[in-house]
Amino acid sequence: NAGVMQNPRHLVRRRGQEARLRCSPMKGHSHVYWYRQLPEEGLKFMVYLQKENIIDESGMPKERFSAEFPKEGPSILRIQQVVRGDSAAYFCASSRDRAANEQFFGPGTRLTVL
Amino acid sequence: AQRVTQPEKLLSVFKGAPVELKCNYSYSGSPELFWYVQYSRQRLQLLLRHISRESIKGFTADLNKGETSFHLKKPFAQEEDSAMYYCALSGWEGGSEKLVFGKGTKLTVNP
Repeated sequence: NAGVMQNPRHLVRRRGQEARLRCSPMKGHSHVYWYRQLPEEGLKFMVYLQKENIIDESGMPKERFSAEFPKEGPSILRIQQVVRGDSAAYFCASSRDRAANEQFFGPGTRLTVL
Repeated sequence: AQRVTQPEKLLSVFKGAPVELKCNYSYSGSPELFWYVQYSRQRLQLLLRHISRESIKGFTADLNKGETSFHLKKPFAQEEDSAMYYCALSGWEGGSEKLVFGKGTKLTVNP
């Protein structure tokens, strides 16, 4: 089992461009979580998805951010019209079922907005 | 609202010394608490959870509901314990169960 995969590991965008971050959960895991980590901060919950469903997006900014977890393929975190404040490390985690069970983390994608 | 506080950003001890990483939480319900660890150049991974009541790599953590704390302890620190440690709380908020992390403590164990 390769573990949670994230790509790209590093992403550089100019202001106004779109960023797409991908996450493939561990085999057999149907729950995916996205977190954002700003410098000197802990991980902040963004969104919780199951296949084809957004369960909780209370941590997502209201505009420009969206997430999906289609029936086939990886989960995608999409940031439109990026701004410098979006520069951060974005982590994906997956679990077999409920959140209280162990979450397995990916290596993260470091987004830099120029 | 759920909140996790790790008051120490940095903690430095010598090899063989006891170590305690502090964690306090705020949650109105019955929490589930975890410690996650990130070693250099590795991904974040679960170290231990309070419901398991187990010792992992010599680390233990006891949930103290009266003091709302979940401090991580090890009697004799080793150099390989140097890492970032995150305390996390799982609780219901906003209609789903989610993990809330503290800001982390960087532990350095000196030879």
